[in-house]
Amino acid sequence: AQSVTQLDSHVSVSEGTPVLLRCNYSSSYSPSLFWYVQHPNKGLQLLLKYTSAATLVKGINGFEAEFKKSETSFHLTKPSAHMSDAAEYFCALGGSQGNLIFGKGTKLSVKP
Amino acid sequence: GAVVSQHPSWVICKSGTSVKIECRSLDFQATTMFWYRQFPKQSLMLMATSNEGSKATYEQGVEKDKFLINHASLTLSTLTVTSAHPEDSSFYICAVGLARPNEQFFGPGTRLTVL
Repeated sequence: AQSVTQLDSHVSVSEGTPVLLRCNYSSSYSPSLFWYVQHPNKGLQLLLKYTSAATLVKGINGFEAEFKKSETSFHLTKPSAHMSDAAEYFCALGGSQGNLIFGKGTKLSVKP
Repeated sequence: GAVVSQHPSWVICKSGTSVKIECRSLDFQATTMFWYRQFPKQSLMLMATSNEGSKATYEQGVEKDKFLINHASLTLSTLTVTSAHPEDSSFYICAVGLARPNEQFFGPGTRLTVL
């Protein structure tokens, strides 16, 4: 079965410190993986995607993620958090029907 | 990417009435659109997949007679919540599917509150 697990429901960091949002997946085939960000009462914005090319994927706003097959992980990182990064982040796995399977989300708080 | 709009952005209605939500792909001809709902502090759950010119495919547990989906053109899909009840209050988000597998661009969402 396909599934996505976001290990932390809430992550709090100080401005200027690194961000790590964790995502693990389960898939019986080679996965496509995505990270989206959602600000309050807004739709989702694509941060980055992995589709079987380079395992280290760079996205927008300084975010990047590394696909690790051996660990079935696709963690999202950013070297230095900014106040504007405070939002909800969703990891998603591409389904076999063209759909997306979402994790439960991680709320990122950034303290000044 | 694709630019996707939704209208209205929020709506309040009385229990028992019907509400229509529009999803438009502004710069891309979308043969496939997706409808999601999101309860507070929860993830997105796919309700149905809408293909232009054909009937929508509903996910298990989603009542197709209650959530009517029409995808009459390549730029417009509508979701009608019929006989809405307070438990239908949620954030409804549509997404446009691109030719690349699994890649979707999302609308800004519609907040529905049923009194």
